[in-house]
Amino acid sequence: NAGVTQTPKFRILKIGQSMTLQCTQDMNHNYMYWYRQDPGMGLKLIYYSVGAGITDKGEVPNGYNVSRSTTEDFPLRLELAAPSQTSVYFCASKISSQGIGYTFGSGTRLTVV
Amino acid sequence: AQKVTQAQTEISVVEKEDVTLDCVYETRDTTYYLFWYKQPPSGELVFLIRRNSFDEQNEISGRYSWNFQKSTSSFNFTITASQVVDSAVYFCALSPIYNFNKFYFGSGTKLNVKP
Repeated sequence: NAGVTQTPKFRILKIGQSMTLQCTQDMNHNYMYWYRQDPGMGLKLIYYSVGAGITDKGEVPNGYNVSRSTTEDFPLRLELAAPSQTSVYFCASKISSQGIGYTFGSGTRLTVV
Repeated sequence: AQKVTQAQTEISVVEKEDVTLDCVYETRDTTYYLFWYKQPPSGELVFLIRRNSFDEQNEISGRYSWNFQKSTSSFNFTITASQVVDSAVYFCALSPIYNFNKFYFGSGTKLNVKP
């Protein structure tokens, strides 16, 4: 079982560059999420999606965009990378909105220089 | 406002010692869920347990146990007879029942278990 797959695992960007972090899940989960984890901090929600074609902002959405054209994929786009976006990014999914735990991907470590 | 506090930044123990990780939360909601996640060195977060605010029974799963006390807004996690494989960062999280899409994570406690 692949679960939640994130690519790339590591990336270094220059200030002002753009990139897309990929997230795919093969569990037919409706709900998908993007979190960022800063050093010594807990995870903060960037965006989430409750199904294909539906997305909503989380706690820290500025500087990011998302789309959800299929159930499986939930890419996160950084348009103009800034040093403040240096972080580890986690994608997660769950089958419903009920209070169950997420399935997390292994993370993408992004450094903006 | 929702907030989860894990005051212990890092804990080091010797294998076979018992260790308790503290979690204190703040919420104005009467119904909510609490979670613990483990983040091993590989980086992926692993779900450990969910507890809803209606149920204050303690739970035990092998060497793991959880103590939920609503009166003190705490949801502590104890590992009995710790092992090196328990070394990880552990996160406590809160989710209001009215909005399952919002999770509030603590800053995590790094547990080092030395042989």
